[in-house]
Amino acid sequence: EIVLTQSPGTLSLSPGERATLSCRASQSVNSVNLAWYQQKPGQAPRLLIYGTSSRATGIPDRFSGSGSGIDFSLTISRLEPEDLAVYYCQQYDRSPWTFGRGTKVEIK
Amino acid sequence: EVQLVESGGGLVQPGGSLRLSCEASGFSFRSDAMHWVRQAPGKGLEYVSGITSNGGTTYYTDSVKGRFTISRDNSKKTLYLHMGSLRPEDMAVYFCVRGNYYGAAFAFDIWGQGTKVTVSS
Repeated sequence: EIVLTQSPGTLSLSPGERATLSCRASQSVNSVNLAWYQQKPGQAPRLLIYGTSSRATGIPDRFSGSGSGIDFSLTISRLEPEDLAVYYCQQYDRSPWTFGRGTKVEIK
Repeated sequence: EVQLVESGGGLVQPGGSLRLSCEASGFSFRSDAMHWVRQAPGKGLEYVSGITSNGGTTYYTDSVKGRFTISRDNSKKTLYLHMGSLRPEDMAVYFCVRGNYYGAAFAFDIWGQGTKVTVSS
């Protein structure tokens, strides 16, 4: 099973700041099979990024993804108050498909 | 409007059974692989089960194999999850999800609002 380790566990930043979230895999993941999801409080998750770096429909361009091999990241270039959420990475490269444990983004 | 609406959650005793349903609208459904993902209270996301568009192939995470059965009725645009021999660790919000290909990439691009399953005596 591929274990995805997300860091930090919690990120507390001010509006307008840049947030960088990390997702490290226990073994190499094909970059087309890595996605990111956003889950706001009390809501279902929403697809943000697929194929490591492609934004899903309607996702603002302040969200970007990058990485390869075992290291992937999600960057929010300029934090806005509505970005308060938990962010999960997920791999579809090998069964069982697995999620990271999430990074909580708090807005100061 | 593209939508997935789950139902069927509730309180069940350990060892009991429950059937979840998920009704799709606003997209094809019959040509889409569908999945269930769950989230235990205060925890992260866990993939549970999936089924191909024609129902010919199913997938299960190890912890539910032999206890859960995924199925679908394309004429009703509805996905099901039959859950048996329920355990306290199965307690979670269960999300119905569409799996979709974007070229070579794959992602869960449509999520339902979830239905809560409580396993307790």
